[in-house]
Amino acid sequence: DGGITQSPKYLFRKEGQNVTLSCEQNLNHDAMYWYRQDPGQGLRLIYYSQIVNDFQKGDIAEGYSVSREKKESFPLTVTSAQKNPTAFYLCASSSGRTLYGYTFGSGTRLTVV
Amino acid sequence: SQKIEQNSEALNIQEGKTATLTCNYTNYSPAYLQWYRQDPGRGPVFLLLIRENEKEKRKERLKVTFDTTLKQSLFHITASQPADSATYLCALPNTDKLIFGTGTRLQVFP
Repeated sequence: DGGITQSPKYLFRKEGQNVTLSCEQNLNHDAMYWYRQDPGQGLRLIYYSQIVNDFQKGDIAEGYSVSREKKESFPLTVTSAQKNPTAFYLCASSSGRTLYGYTFGSGTRLTVV
Repeated sequence: SQKIEQNSEALNIQEGKTATLTCNYTNYSPAYLQWYRQDPGRGPVFLLLIRENEKEKRKERLKVTFDTTLKQSLFHITASQPADSATYLCALPNTDKLIFGTGTRLQVFP
């Protein structure tokens, strides 16, 4: 079955550490996105990529980094520069046209301890 | 600036009734609008798309309207069931990406 997989589902990080969240899709989608969701808030865009080896900052890119070396993969690194990283992180993909909607992964809940 | 508003208060309704959720937007002229369902601890799931030239769209028990004059979309679930309990988000296109509302939590009780 085609889909988008995020791992791990739960992640704990000590303050000052970098951590990488995985996102893999086998839908042959060109575009991939990372959103952050906090309680009572909507989805806020961190980074997105429309094509391999290219990505753009979203609304809250500070403290995060991404890479897009393969079409199937779009990992997100939460760096120690991110002041408040505890949140629910969602990865999504689309055919490249937002008209057809996004397919989301099941999310990674990151907690800083 | 562009803004999407959904009622942040939860909507509680009795099973069998029609649930109506609202999505308002400002400083947008979207060509279409989308609705998603999100269950706790899960990613949103795409439900429906409605284009600016469509007044109404139906899918099984779901109905969406789109009023570009009022800058509003209404999302209806008829004959609601406890399994419909979830958070529903609207989304609008902004250049090459979607912008999401904060969502409205729907609780259907027996």
